[in-house]
Formats: sequence, C-alpha cells, structure tokens
Amino acid sequence: QQQVKQSPQSLIVQKGGISIINCAYENTAFDYFPWYQQFPGKGPALLIAIRPDVSEKKEGRFTISFNKSAKQFSLHIMDSQPGDSATYFCAASVIKAAGNKLTFGGGTRVLVKP
Amino acid sequence: SAVISQKPSRDICQRGTSLTIQCQVDSQVTMMFWYRQQPGQSLTLIATANQGSEATYESGFVIDKFPISRPNLTFSTLTVSNMSPEDSSIYLCSVEGLAGGSQYFGPGTRLTVL
Repeated sequence: QQQVKQSPQSLIVQKGGISIINCAYENTAFDYFPWYQQFPGKGPALLIAIRPDVSEKKEGRFTISFNKSAKQFSLHIMDSQPGDSATYFCAASVIKAAGNKLTFGGGTRVLVKP
Repeated sequence: SAVISQKPSRDICQRGTSLTIQCQVDSQVTMMFWYRQQPGQSLTLIATANQGSEATYESGFVIDKFPISRPNLTFSTLTVSNMSPEDSSIYLCSVEGLAGGSQYFGPGTRLTVL
C-alpha cells in the first residue's frame, strides 16, 4: 500500500478555535480521500470525503481542502467543540470495481479544551 | 449507511489458540474488508472478502494466519490463528456503501493475547 503521511500527531485547541490536520500522499492514482473520526473504544466513523475534481468540500463545521498538484489535503474543524475531541484519520484509495482499499494516515489525536 | 455489528466485542485469549470474529451487516453488500488497528496506531488492511470467491490478502498477511469466510452478502468471519501476543489488536470489519468509495466500519473486536 502506498503511504499517506498525516500531521500533526496530536493537537490541542481551545473551544471555538480551528483544528487543522494535514495529509500528503504519493500515489497519483488515488481518487478518493475520506476523513474518519474515532472515539476510544469505537470504530472509525466516516466524516467527510472528497474526490480530486473539486478543491474544497464543506459539511457543517468540517471542511476538506484538496490540492492536487501538491498531493495534499487537509481537514479543517471550525468552531471546535469539546465533543470533537477524538482521533482523526485521513485515508486515500483508488476506487475500483474490485474494492476500495483504504490506505490510512497515522492519525491525529485532537483535544478541544473548554 | 449500513449498520454493522461484530462479535465478540472483546476477548482475552491464550497464546497458541485461535479466535473467530464475526461481522454482520443489516443489508446486502458486495465488498467487505478486514482491518487491524494495533494499540494507539492507525488501521492496516488485512484482506478484502468477496462473496463466492477467495479473500484477497494484503502484503504481510496470509490465509493460514487469517482465514476469512464470506458465505453470503451480509456476513463474514475472520479467524486469527495460532495467536501470539503480537496479535493483540483491534480487528475491524468494514463495508463499502452503494455510492462507491464510502466505507463504513463496525465497532471492532479488541483482542488481547496473553
């Protein structure tokens, strides 16, 4: 599997602030970029995803920015809340009929302080 | 999104034994996947489980160690064979949504091998 590099490993933000997590990939064939949120003891939950034909996608307080030429994408959490405290994973894949094999970044542990 | 359940939710096993993990989905899905998440780490794809055919394993994972069954479109099992403490991980199944690309995870099975 091709590597996806995620940074930072951890992040502390004040309530109401903006959390920004970055990912970089190598495989230019990747055409699907999801973000997952995982709480302790739970499975990852799909937050938001983007395809490379758009540069930005917003769903509520969550925004993905995508830079195809730089092979980078990022997650912005606006107005961060204590309930957003979780581990976030970026991922990438090549969508195929044979299955969408996700390659995950290393994860970012986000702590939102009240 | 599909509702996915896994059994058991957690288990403590002795070295050298085997454990079979079940994954049940509330709707028919074509693609099911098994991932491993070692403590505090990211997710790594073990294999893709297709109904009616042999599972496809990723590099570093072999059928003898992780045999997989996929008897129908709503169910799959993963067996962790001849376990060692290094197999202590969270094992997660996931399914691919109808929209293609979107992948949804079960709650995971937390395995501890003594």
